[in-house]
Amino acid sequence: RKEVEQDPGPFNVPEGATVAFNCTYSNSASQSFFWYRQDCRKEPKLLMSVYSSGNEDGRFTAQLNRASQYISLLIRDSKLSDSATYLCVVNEARGSARQLTFGSGTQLTVLP
Amino acid sequence: DAGITQSPRHKVTETGTPVTLRCHQTENHRYMYWYRQDPGHGLRLIHYSYGVKDTDKGEVSDGYSVSRSKTEDFLLTLESATSSQTSVYFCAISESTNEQYFGPGTRLTVT
Repeated sequence: RKEVEQDPGPFNVPEGATVAFNCTYSNSASQSFFWYRQDCRKEPKLLMSVYSSGNEDGRFTAQLNRASQYISLLIRDSKLSDSATYLCVVNEARGSARQLTFGSGTQLTVLP
Repeated sequence: DAGITQSPRHKVTETGTPVTLRCHQTENHRYMYWYRQDPGHGLRLIHYSYGVKDTDKGEVSDGYSVSRSKTEDFLLTLESATSSQTSVYFCAISESTNEQYFGPGTRLTVT
């Protein structure tokens, strides 16, 4: 079983749509959580951290459910520029540093 | 954007040759990481460093070594490159906030 699982998609949605991505993680000791965005042939970039109380940044809302070991990302009013792969990332203390475990990503294409 | 550069950005090499990739940061962050990214596997940690001369293995360390002689530089060496090491390699840095910031990547092809 993968430590971080995501639906790979692809999700193809029209501009203006609302789209939600889900992610589950297996290690209940995981301590912090993130969503990264990766454009084609580019590096991953931090989109937002995910807090227990849920958090919002403009059109993006992230939720964490520790009991179910589940993370979500909601994108409202999708823009063409939102087309990318979204990576669910879990941070846990292992060895001498906090290590990130990445999901394989969910591909989103926003269509005109 | 965080000040992270990687060199070279692209490299083609032959099986059996040694290859060194360089990551350079200007942020003075304590932690540095090397990942590889392959289709279907996502990003996987190769090695990381938690200070000058302090390094540890990640999930896929076999066939790789690292060195960190200065805060700003973290080198990844493929001791004898194999075709299975054809990949995109990303360096990342972090401080105490846990978020990691990535360099632009190096595309390595081993023929």
